[in-house]
Amino acid sequence: EAGVTQFPSHSVIEKGQTVTLRCDPISGHDNLYWYRRVMGKEIKFLLHFVKESKQDESGMPNNRFLAERTGGTYSTLKVQPAELEDSGVYFCASSQVRGYVAEQFFGPGTRLTVL
Amino acid sequence: AQTVTQSQPEMSVQEAETVTLSCTYDTSENNYYLFWYKQPPSRQMILVIRQEAYKQQNATENRFSVNFQKAAKSFSLKISDSQLGDTAMYFCAFMGSNYKLTFGKGTLLTVNP
Repeated sequence: EAGVTQFPSHSVIEKGQTVTLRCDPISGHDNLYWYRRVMGKEIKFLLHFVKESKQDESGMPNNRFLAERTGGTYSTLKVQPAELEDSGVYFCASSQVRGYVAEQFFGPGTRLTVL
Repeated sequence: AQTVTQSQPEMSVQEAETVTLSCTYDTSENNYYLFWYKQPPSRQMILVIRQEAYKQQNATENRFSVNFQKAAKSFSLKISDSQLGDTAMYFCAFMGSNYKLTFGKGTLLTVNP
């Protein structure tokens, strides 16, 4: 069974440009999460989808970030325009159900560098 | 808001020895879960072990065990018989009633041959 996949693995862009990150969850997992780790800091929650609906987007930094999950399958996270402080590793995770007992399976992350 | 603190940015251990990674957390909730995740170099983060707060018995998964002290809000990870493949970044994480994971900054563990 394929795990959570993320594309690209690395992205280097200039300040002001747009970048779109993609996450493909494990097939059948309705719950999809985005997290971000900025250099030297904790991994922080960004948002949570249940199927195609945003369940919780309280961690999104600002309106330069837009997440979508069309059809309840893969998700994209767009940063427009990118700023220097957006650099970090963006993780996606998926789980079959919501709650304590639902293990979240993580993807390898996308390392974003904004110059 | 919950916080998770890992006070050891880096640790090292000799192969076959035992090492303990520390984690403390702060919360006002009574029911929650605690997790240890492992991220090997250039690989995906995987769940190592999970502890339910309402269970007094410490969780164990093969060579991995936890020391959960609820009153002290402490959740340390013990790795016995360390192996080279245990070299990784280890993250302690908390999940409360909002089902969001709150992570510590991580501890980079190196197992030396």
